[in-house]
Amino acid sequence: EVQLLESGGGLVQPGGSLRLSCAASGFTFSSYSMSWVRQAPGKGLEWVSAISGRDGSTYYADSVKGRFTISRDNSKNTLYLQMNSLRAEDTAVYYCAKLVEAWGQGTLVTVSS
Amino acid sequence: DIQMTQSPSSLSASVGDRVTITCRASQGISNSLAWFQQKPGKAPKSLIYAASSLQSGVPSKFSGSGSGTDFTLTISSLQPEDFATYYCQQYNSYPFTFGGGTKVEIK
Repeated sequence: EVQLLESGGGLVQPGGSLRLSCAASGFTFSSYSMSWVRQAPGKGLEWVSAISGRDGSTYYADSVKGRFTISRDNSKNTLYLQMNSLRAEDTAVYYCAKLVEAWGQGTLVTVSS
Repeated sequence: DIQMTQSPSSLSASVGDRVTITCRASQGISNSLAWFQQKPGKAPKSLIYAASSLQSGVPSKFSGSGSGTDFTLTISSLQPEDFATYYCQQYNSYPFTFGGGTKVEIK
């Protein structure tokens, strides 16, 4: 069974940084692309970033390009999202997702002074 | 970027009703379309991938169809546990994009 467990969320001031982690199990992590998806309070789902399993190619939504960095450690079966220069509009629940198959439970990021 | 337009944005239905939700892509995406269900306060749950393939463990009352730009999700007989918000997502090309969601409420 695929399991994804996010951690690292919390309260951060505007302009600050945070790193999210997602521990994966139940599948061959290195073989699959992984994504981060977020959901602002009361809003719909927004795809944020993805990283391929094979060559580590990365992709970003325009809203986070240049501020967020996705990475993975296949030896630890862990996905990361480094978030810098955070803004109030980045406040959301952040989900780790194995494309179209499984989602983590989410971790809340609140950007506020 | 590919825009995904879902309709309706909300609907009211009764237990036992057949419900259809549509999703339209702004350009062709072949069959690279997934559907998700989300209940309040919970993570999304994957229902369908490749436009019409059911995820393991998902009941057969859910079905998907379509290819190219027009897609549908059908719930054959709505049950109390099906009241939720449903989202489509294209994964044909980056940035992957979601539809705005369809909230299915009890009539």
